[in-house]
Amino acid sequence: AQKITQTQPGMFVQEKEAVTLDCTYDTSDPSYGLFWYKQPSSGEMIFLIYQGSYDQQNATEGRYSLNFQKARKSANLVISASQLGDSAMYFCAMSYNYGGSQGNLIFGKGTKLSVKP
Amino acid sequence: GAVVSQHPSWVICKSGTSVKIECRSLDFQATTMFWYRQFPKQSLMLMATSNEGSKATYEQGVEKDKFLINHASLTLSTLTVTSAHPEDSSFYICSAPGKQRREQYFGPGTRLTVT
Repeated sequence: AQKITQTQPGMFVQEKEAVTLDCTYDTSDPSYGLFWYKQPSSGEMIFLIYQGSYDQQNATEGRYSLNFQKARKSANLVISASQLGDSAMYFCAMSYNYGGSQGNLIFGKGTKLSVKP
Repeated sequence: GAVVSQHPSWVICKSGTSVKIECRSLDFQATTMFWYRQFPKQSLMLMATSNEGSKATYEQGVEKDKFLINHASLTLSTLTVTSAHPEDSSFYICSAPGKQRREQYFGPGTRLTVT
């Protein structure tokens, strides 16, 4: 069964510094996708970054980068130059495929990031 | 990117009544939509998969007679919470996958409070 593990319930970071949020996953499927979402207090799910299992390079999207270590089954999110607006819940997720169709996401428990001024 | 809307964004209902939540794909067709539930300070858990023109698939432990899902068109899926109880109070979010694997479009969510 597929599983996502986020071991950091909460993290603090000083404004303008970088922070790494940890995520490990477990799957027997060779083809999968990994996502990171930001969820502010409003509840909306904001897509941050995606990494496909066959992608050769680590994904980057602006201040977000994904440190993908396939052998270790880890997909850590790195946020550079933290801003106060980055304070939110962050979820790591994996796409689940069945029969070749685009499936639902399986989410980790999340990490609450607080940026200190 | 594609847009998914949900209505209402929040709703308060009395115990024993039913409430319907709509999920619409505004600029694309969605043959499949997913319904998630999120309790306070917890993660998103898949409730059911809604398939256009066929019956929904429910996750283990989700009562299909209580959470009625209808996907009557390629742009609309509805979730009806029947005979709601306070323990059904939660944040309900729908999503629809795009054509590419990186594409998962989420609605803004519906906050349900049952009194």
